[in-house]
Amino acid sequence: TQLLEQSPQFLSIQEGENLTVYCNSSSVFSSLQWYRQEPGEGPVLLVTVVTGGEVKKLKRLTFQFGDARKDSSLHITAAQTGDTGLYLCAGSRNSGNTPLVFGKGTRLSVIA
Amino acid sequence: GAVVSQHPSWVICKSGTSVKIECRSLDFQATTMFWYRQFPKQSLMLMATSNEGSKATYEQGVEKDKFLINHASLTLSTLTVTSAHPEDSSFYICSARDPGGAYEQYFGPGTRLTVT
Repeated sequence: TQLLEQSPQFLSIQEGENLTVYCNSSSVFSSLQWYRQEPGEGPVLLVTVVTGGEVKKLKRLTFQFGDARKDSSLHITAAQTGDTGLYLCAGSRNSGNTPLVFGKGTRLSVIA
Repeated sequence: GAVVSQHPSWVICKSGTSVKIECRSLDFQATTMFWYRQFPKQSLMLMATSNEGSKATYEQGVEKDKFLINHASLTLSTLTVTSAHPEDSSFYICSARDPGGAYEQYFGPGTRLTVT
């Protein structure tokens, strides 16, 4: 059972376009993280959202945590080729000593 | 953010030999670290939770006698792949939680293991 459903799995867009990646669950998470991973490297933390309804912005990236803390979205404005990579959402439950629950990831390709 | 290192970054070994991978938290202490395995173009698969001073907790289907985990200090966890076979070839990544954060985990750069 995949506890975090991420969509779309693959996305190929032109430079300058906008896109949204979704991360959905039927379970409540105490926090949710978004990571970006490039080939041959470990995931890099982009943001952590903790409060239901929270919105965080990181330059052209906007992250939102659902009111019920069951879902999240990542919106990228005016995508650049440097945004290409694997985007992973991961949910945390209860305490920091429990493993993160990962979505399957969204592989984004931004074409010049 | 917190920094986690891994060593080696890549290793090639012969079938039947053992390989040790180190995971270090560089600027914080981590009572818990996690080991993941990643196949090409797939998400991370949790292998085990490494607890400082106690036995690791393995996920279902992961052989504890094959993937030995030792967390001897608050900044170091090791994963030893024993009697490696070609099917063990993969990208292994560790992570650690910064206790000062909000449950986020920081990942090492990964170790590419190739068994010939």
